[in-house]
Amino acid sequence: AQSVTQPDIHITVSEGASLELRCNYSYGATPYLFWYVQSPGQGLQLLLKYFSGDTLVQGIKGFEAEFKRSQSSFNLRKPSVHWSDAAEYFCAVGPLSNDYKLSFGAGTTVTVRA
Amino acid sequence: DAGVTQSPTHLIKTRGQQVTLRCSPKSGHDTVSWYQQALGQGPQFIFQYYEEEERQRGNFPDRFSGHQFPNYSSELNVNALLLGDSALYLCASSSLRDSYTDTQYFGPGTRLTVL
Repeated sequence: AQSVTQPDIHITVSEGASLELRCNYSYGATPYLFWYVQSPGQGLQLLLKYFSGDTLVQGIKGFEAEFKRSQSSFNLRKPSVHWSDAAEYFCAVGPLSNDYKLSFGAGTTVTVRA
Repeated sequence: DAGVTQSPTHLIKTRGQQVTLRCSPKSGHDTVSWYQQALGQGPQFIFQYYEEEERQRGNFPDRFSGHQFPNYSSELNVNALLLGDSALYLCASSSLRDSYTDTQYFGPGTRLTVL
Protein backbone atom coordinates (compact mmCIF):
# COMPACT_ATOMS: atom_id res chain seq x y z
CA ALA A 1 0.00 0.00 0.00
CA GLN A 2 1.19 3.49 -0.73
CA SER A 3 2.19 5.76 2.13
CA VAL A 4 3.79 9.14 2.61
CA THR A 5 6.03 10.38 5.42
CA GLN A 6 6.71 14.02 6.14
CA PRO A 7 9.43 13.91 8.80
CA ASP A 8 9.16 17.54 9.88
CA ILE A 9 6.02 18.49 11.81
CA HIS A 10 6.90 22.16 12.11
CA ILE A 11 9.51 24.39 10.44
CA THR A 12 10.25 28.02 11.25
CA VAL A 13 12.05 30.08 8.64
CA SER A 14 12.96 33.75 8.34
CA GLU A 15 11.43 35.83 5.60
CA GLY A 16 13.76 35.83 2.60
CA ALA A 17 15.48 32.61 3.62
CA SER A 18 15.25 29.38 1.68
CA LEU A 19 12.83 26.61 2.55
CA GLU A 20 12.97 22.86 2.02
CA LEU A 21 10.20 20.46 3.07
CA ARG A 22 10.89 16.75 3.05
CA CYS A 23 8.64 14.02 1.71
CA ASN A 24 9.35 10.30 1.50
CA TYR A 25 6.99 7.83 -0.09
CA SER A 26 6.43 4.11 -0.22
CA TYR A 27 4.90 2.98 -3.47
CA GLY A 28 4.82 -0.16 -5.55
CA ALA A 29 5.07 1.49 -8.95
CA THR A 30 6.11 4.71 -10.60
CA PRO A 31 4.39 7.25 -8.38
CA TYR A 32 2.29 10.24 -9.12
CA LEU A 33 3.37 12.82 -6.53
CA PHE A 34 1.78 16.05 -5.42
CA TRP A 35 2.35 18.94 -3.08
CA TYR A 36 -0.64 20.85 -1.75
CA VAL A 37 -0.75 23.91 0.50
CA GLN A 38 -3.47 24.70 3.05
CA SER A 39 -3.89 28.11 4.63
CA PRO A 40 -5.67 28.24 8.01
CA GLY A 41 -9.32 27.27 7.68
CA GLN A 42 -9.02 26.74 3.95
CA GLY A 43 -9.07 23.86 1.48
CA LEU A 44 -6.05 22.45 -0.33
CA GLN A 45 -4.41 24.27 -3.21
CA LEU A 46 -2.26 22.33 -5.66
CA LEU A 47 1.31 23.65 -5.77
CA LEU A 48 2.82 21.18 -8.21
CA LYS A 49 2.73 17.60 -9.42
CA TYR A 50 5.07 14.97 -10.84
CA PHE A 51 3.93 12.28 -13.23
CA SER A 52 6.99 11.45 -15.34
CA GLY A 53 9.84 13.04 -17.25
CA ASP A 54 11.97 15.82 -15.85
CA THR A 55 12.59 15.13 -12.18
CA LEU A 56 12.67 18.82 -11.28
CA VAL A 57 9.14 20.19 -11.31
CA GLN A 58 8.17 23.85 -11.21
CA GLY A 59 5.00 24.94 -9.49
CA ILE A 60 3.08 28.02 -8.56
CA LYS A 61 4.18 30.71 -6.09
CA GLY A 62 7.87 30.10 -6.88
CA PHE A 63 7.96 26.53 -5.52
CA GLU A 64 9.80 23.61 -7.07
CA ALA A 65 10.20 19.96 -6.15
CA GLU A 66 12.69 17.28 -7.10
CA PHE A 67 11.81 13.62 -7.53
CA LYS A 68 14.60 11.23 -6.50
CA ARG A 69 13.67 7.64 -7.16
CA SER A 70 16.80 6.25 -5.45
CA GLN A 71 15.84 8.01 -2.22
CA SER A 72 12.04 7.65 -2.59
CA SER A 73 11.81 11.37 -1.99
CA PHE A 74 9.96 14.34 -3.41
CA ASN A 75 11.21 17.39 -1.50
CA LEU A 76 9.67 20.82 -1.93
CA ARG A 77 11.85 23.93 -2.11
CA LYS A 78 11.56 27.67 -2.37
CA PRO A 79 14.62 29.92 -2.68
CA SER A 80 13.20 32.92 -0.82
CA VAL A 81 10.23 32.67 1.51
CA HIS A 82 7.57 35.38 1.82
CA TRP A 83 5.41 35.93 4.90
CA SER A 84 2.41 34.73 2.87
CA ASP A 85 4.00 31.28 2.59
CA ALA A 86 3.10 30.56 6.21
CA ALA A 87 0.72 27.60 5.91
CA GLU A 88 0.53 23.82 6.17
CA TYR A 89 2.03 21.78 3.37
CA PHE A 90 0.96 18.27 2.40
CA CYS A 91 2.73 15.76 0.22
CA ALA A 92 0.51 13.17 -1.46
CA VAL A 93 0.95 10.08 -3.62
CA GLY A 94 -1.43 8.37 -6.01
CA PRO A 95 -3.61 7.41 -7.74
CA LEU A 96 -2.83 3.97 -9.12
CA SER A 97 -4.69 2.39 -12.03
CA ASN A 98 -7.22 0.68 -9.72
CA ASP A 99 -6.68 2.73 -6.58
CA TYR A 100 -8.05 6.17 -7.15
CA LYS A 101 -7.36 7.79 -3.81
CA LEU A 102 -4.63 10.19 -2.80
CA SER A 103 -2.65 9.20 0.27
CA PHE A 104 -1.41 12.18 2.24
CA GLY A 105 1.35 12.75 4.70
CA ALA A 106 0.59 14.28 8.08
CA GLY A 107 1.70 17.70 6.88
CA THR A 108 4.39 20.23 7.76
CA THR A 109 3.45 23.55 9.30
CA VAL A 110 5.60 26.44 8.13
CA THR A 111 5.96 29.56 10.26
CA VAL A 112 7.64 32.61 8.73
CA ARG A 113 9.28 35.10 11.07
CA ALA A 114 10.02 38.68 10.10
CA ASP B 1 -14.02 29.14 -14.44
CA ALA B 2 -15.61 28.14 -11.14
CA GLY B 3 -13.58 25.86 -8.98
CA VAL B 4 -14.88 23.22 -6.61
CA THR B 5 -17.59 24.57 -4.32
CA GLN B 6 -18.89 23.11 -1.07
CA SER B 7 -21.78 23.91 1.23
CA PRO B 8 -22.30 24.69 3.96
CA THR B 9 -19.07 26.29 5.19
CA HIS B 10 -19.65 25.39 8.80
CA LEU B 11 -22.07 23.08 10.55
CA ILE B 12 -22.77 22.25 14.18
CA LYS B 13 -24.64 19.07 15.07
CA THR B 14 -25.22 16.98 18.17
CA ARG B 15 -24.37 13.33 18.68
CA GLY B 16 -26.79 10.94 16.98
CA GLN B 17 -27.95 13.42 14.37
CA GLN B 18 -27.54 13.07 10.64
CA VAL B 19 -25.79 15.53 8.29
CA THR B 20 -25.60 16.12 4.55
CA LEU B 21 -22.71 17.95 2.91
CA ARG B 22 -22.75 19.10 -0.70
CA CYS B 23 -20.14 19.51 -3.42
CA SER B 24 -20.16 20.89 -6.95
CA PRO B 25 -17.16 19.85 -9.04
CA LYS B 26 -14.96 22.06 -11.14
CA SER B 27 -16.35 22.72 -14.59
CA GLY B 28 -15.53 19.84 -16.94
CA HIS B 29 -14.90 17.34 -14.14
CA ASP B 30 -16.94 14.16 -13.75
CA THR B 31 -15.41 12.49 -10.69
CA VAL B 32 -15.84 13.49 -7.06
CA SER B 33 -13.85 12.27 -4.07
CA TRP B 34 -14.50 12.97 -0.39
CA TYR B 35 -11.86 13.24 2.32
CA GLN B 36 -12.01 13.73 6.08
CA GLN B 37 -9.34 15.86 7.70
CA ALA B 38 -9.21 15.69 11.48
CA LEU B 39 -7.42 18.47 13.34
CA GLY B 40 -3.67 18.27 12.90
CA GLN B 41 -3.80 15.40 10.41
CA GLY B 42 -3.65 14.90 6.69
CA PRO B 43 -6.83 14.19 4.71
CA GLN B 44 -8.13 10.63 4.76
CA PHE B 45 -9.98 9.19 1.77
CA ILE B 46 -13.66 8.39 2.37
CA PHE B 47 -14.90 7.43 -1.10
CA GLN B 48 -14.99 8.39 -4.77
CA TYR B 49 -17.97 8.69 -7.11
CA TYR B 50 -17.95 8.33 -10.87
CA GLU B 51 -20.94 7.89 -13.17
CA GLU B 52 -23.24 8.15 -10.17
CA GLU B 53 -21.71 5.09 -8.51
CA GLU B 54 -19.28 4.60 -5.66
CA ARG B 55 -16.11 3.51 -7.39
CA GLN B 56 -13.87 3.12 -4.36
CA ARG B 57 -14.29 3.35 -0.62
CA GLY B 58 -11.78 4.01 2.14
CA ASN B 59 -11.77 2.63 5.65
CA PHE B 60 -14.91 4.35 6.90
CA PRO B 61 -18.02 2.77 8.43
CA ASP B 62 -21.34 2.44 6.64
CA ARG B 63 -22.60 5.48 8.53
CA PHE B 64 -20.82 7.41 5.79
CA SER B 65 -22.67 7.28 2.50
CA GLY B 66 -22.78 9.36 -0.62
CA HIS B 67 -24.47 10.11 -3.84
CA GLN B 68 -23.57 11.60 -7.19
CA PHE B 69 -26.14 13.31 -9.37
CA PRO B 70 -26.37 13.40 -13.21
CA ASN B 71 -24.81 16.89 -13.19
CA TYR B 72 -21.78 15.36 -11.36
CA SER B 73 -22.46 17.16 -8.09
CA SER B 74 -22.27 15.03 -4.97
CA GLU B 75 -23.50 14.67 -1.41
CA LEU B 76 -21.86 13.13 1.63
CA ASN B 77 -24.22 11.84 4.31
CA VAL B 78 -23.19 10.87 7.80
CA ASN B 79 -25.68 9.13 10.11
CA ALA B 80 -25.61 8.68 13.87
CA LEU B 81 -22.94 11.32 14.35
CA LEU B 82 -20.17 10.71 16.87
CA LEU B 83 -17.92 13.24 18.55
CA GLY B 84 -15.06 11.78 16.51
CA ASP B 85 -16.75 12.80 13.27
CA SER B 86 -15.82 16.42 13.99
CA ALA B 87 -13.48 17.36 11.16
CA LEU B 88 -13.01 19.34 7.97
CA TYR B 89 -14.66 17.49 5.09
CA LEU B 90 -13.03 18.11 1.76
CA CYS B 91 -14.42 17.44 -1.67
CA ALA B 92 -12.10 16.99 -4.63
CA SER B 93 -12.98 16.76 -8.30
CA SER B 94 -11.09 15.32 -11.23
CA SER B 95 -11.71 14.26 -14.79
CA LEU B 96 -11.61 10.68 -15.96
CA ARG B 97 -11.24 12.07 -19.46
CA ASP B 98 -7.82 13.24 -18.28
CA SER B 99 -7.25 9.96 -16.51
CA TYR B 100 -3.53 9.92 -17.15
CA THR B 101 -3.10 13.05 -15.08
CA ASP B 102 -6.17 12.67 -12.89
CA THR B 103 -5.22 15.63 -10.75
CA GLN B 104 -7.65 16.20 -7.90
CA TYR B 105 -8.68 19.78 -7.19
CA PHE B 106 -10.06 20.53 -3.76
CA GLY B 107 -12.85 22.72 -2.50
CA PRO B 108 -12.66 24.94 0.59
CA GLY B 109 -14.20 22.28 2.82
CA THR B 110 -17.06 22.04 5.31
CA ARG B 111 -16.14 22.31 8.98
CA LEU B 112 -18.36 19.90 10.95
CA THR B 113 -18.51 20.17 14.73
CA VAL B 114 -20.33 17.46 16.67
CA LEU B 115 -21.30 18.35 20.25
